[in-house]
This record gives sequence, structure tokens and C-alpha cells, in this order.
Amino acid sequence: DAKTTQPNSMESNEEEPVHLPCNHSTISGTDYIHWYRQLPSQGPEYVIHGLTSNVNNRMASLAIAEDRKSSTLILHRATLRDAAVYYCILRRTGNQFYFGTGTSLTVIP
Amino acid sequence: KAGVTQTPRYLIKTRGQQVTLSCSPISGHRSVSWYQQTPGQGLQFLFEYFSETQRNKGNFPGRFSGRQFSNSRSEMNVSTLELGDSALYLCASSFEGAAYNSPLHFGNGTRLTVT
Repeated sequence: DAKTTQPNSMESNEEEPVHLPCNHSTISGTDYIHWYRQLPSQGPEYVIHGLTSNVNNRMASLAIAEDRKSSTLILHRATLRDAAVYYCILRRTGNQFYFGTGTSLTVIP
Repeated sequence: KAGVTQTPRYLIKTRGQQVTLSCSPISGHRSVSWYQQTPGQGLQFLFEYFSETQRNKGNFPGRFSGRQFSNSRSEMNVSTLELGDSALYLCASSFEGAAYNSPLHFGNGTRLTVT
């Protein structure tokens, strides 16, 4: 089974960059790496995804290791609204979903 | 564009009963997937429907079933409820073609409590 491993929690100061790591050592060649975040009492929200190359969008950047066994979600300037649980997910052909345990991000004002 | 809508938001049921949850995907999305979220197990994939056909299934007992209608709306049914079925049930839709790289759009879930 393809699984992801994330730290349970992380803290960041407001307006500083945050690097959220994810290990996926059993990733296969066709697995896409997705990141979502979840605020209390809400469903998860899409953040970013990629396959092999680093990706950027208005919310974050995704850095993927060359061997694809790990990735890092980068929030360039953390705000209080970024406090959430962040999930690293592998999406595999055949549409199996493998969720990480999630990282609870605390942003300190 | 309206987001993914799940109804009802909250449900309280008794052990042994059955329950049906509903999900309306974003217009134009043909893939609907369901998830169970509990504090102990986290987010777990239940199943996914695409064009009215179940395309994938997670490791849940047969008491958990679903279906998708021609308008892509989906329902999930749990029969013979157990206390352990208490959870937040999430639905997500995506504009899915042959590739599996489309973002998932989640609803806010149905909170099921079994007493």
C-alpha cells in the first residue's frame, strides 16, 4: 500500500515561511501528490498537486524530491488563516486514495 | 459555481437502523467519492462513482454502499448501524477524465452520531 507520513504538528510565526514535509517512500511512478487542508467543521480544501516537477500556485508551492519519495508544501508567508490540518495525499491510477495522518499547523501571531 | 452540497449536516440514529446521505457535486463533475473521517482513523476512502458506476472501493464492510444517479448526484447508505459508524462523512467531486490528477472538491460533510 502506498502510504504517506507527516509530522503530527508544527508551529510557525505569522508572516514567516512554513515548510510542511511529507514522506511517501512507496510512491509509484503514476501517483500524483496532492495537498489539502482542513479547517474545523469544514471539508478539506484543495491546496496544490504535482507529479514530478515543483509546482507553484497562488496559495503555496510544492517541492518534490528528485526520487519522489518525499515532498514539501511551502507556505511563503503564514497567516492566521493558514492554521489548519494539512493532508498529503497520493492519488493513484485506479483512484485509490492514500491519506496521511495530517499535520496540524499552528500559526503564532 | 455552487460548491459540493451534502445533506443533511447532522444526523442522529440508533444502532441497527440504516441511514442515507446525499451529495450533490459541482455542476459538470462526473466523479463523486466518499470518505469517513474519525478522530482515531483519520480520513478513509469509502468508494468512488463515475458516470453511475462504482469505479473504486475502499476497505469497508458491505453495510456501506452507494450509488450515483444520471445527474451525478450520489447517495451513500449504511445499513445496520453500529456505534463505530459515528463519524463525519465527506463527499468530494472532481472533473475526472482518464487521468487521476484533478483536484477534489469537498463538501462540509454529514456528521452522523449513532447511539
